[in-house]
Amino acid sequence: EDKVVQSPLSLVVHEGDTVTLNCSYEVTNFRSLLWYKQEKKAPTFLFMLTSSGIEKKSGRLSSILDKKELFSILNITATQTGDSAIYLCAVVGTNAGKSTFGDGTTLTVKP
Amino acid sequence: GAVVSQHPSWVICKSGTSVKIECRSLDFQATTMFWYRQFPKQSLMLMATSNEGSKATYEQGVEKDKFLINHASLTLSTLTVTSAHPEDSSFYICSARDPGTSTYGYTFGSGTRLTVV
Repeated sequence: EDKVVQSPLSLVVHEGDTVTLNCSYEVTNFRSLLWYKQEKKAPTFLFMLTSSGIEKKSGRLSSILDKKELFSILNITATQTGDSAIYLCAVVGTNAGKSTFGDGTTLTVKP
Repeated sequence: GAVVSQHPSWVICKSGTSVKIECRSLDFQATTMFWYRQFPKQSLMLMATSNEGSKATYEQGVEKDKFLINHASLTLSTLTVTSAHPEDSSFYICSARDPGTSTYGYTFGSGTRLTVV
């Protein structure tokens, strides 16, 4: 059974801080790892990672995957209050393309 | 980019009634859509995989007679919660992937907040 574990479960920081969110996984026939940001409604897509060691970057957010150690990190630099959200990590195996989600990390950025 | 439209955004129904939730891919054809349920402060739990033109595949523990899924066209999947009860109150979200893109990022609908009273 595919499994995704995220840590920490919650995190409170102040604006300007840098945060690192962790995601470890076990999956049959790994295909991709996905990061999402969820605010009040449905998740929005951030990154898709398929290869080890290649950093994906979008503004202040970046992510990298280690397929040997089976984990990924999501970094957010110079955090803003608008970054407050639940960050979800999901893995896709070859099992009909289904995504297995972790429990998420709730990030709160205080002014 | 790919857009998935989900309706209604919220619904309140009486116990024992049925509720239908629609999920449409607006600018692409989705042979497969996924239905998730999310309880407060919990992660997304996959309920079923909806396949166009065939029966849905349900995850273990999900009652297929209670959560009816129909995927009659390449752009529309529906989830019907039959004989709803208060414990069915939850946030239901669908997702799909545009097969015309190289990404495996799935696009989510906006979700439906179901409250059964």
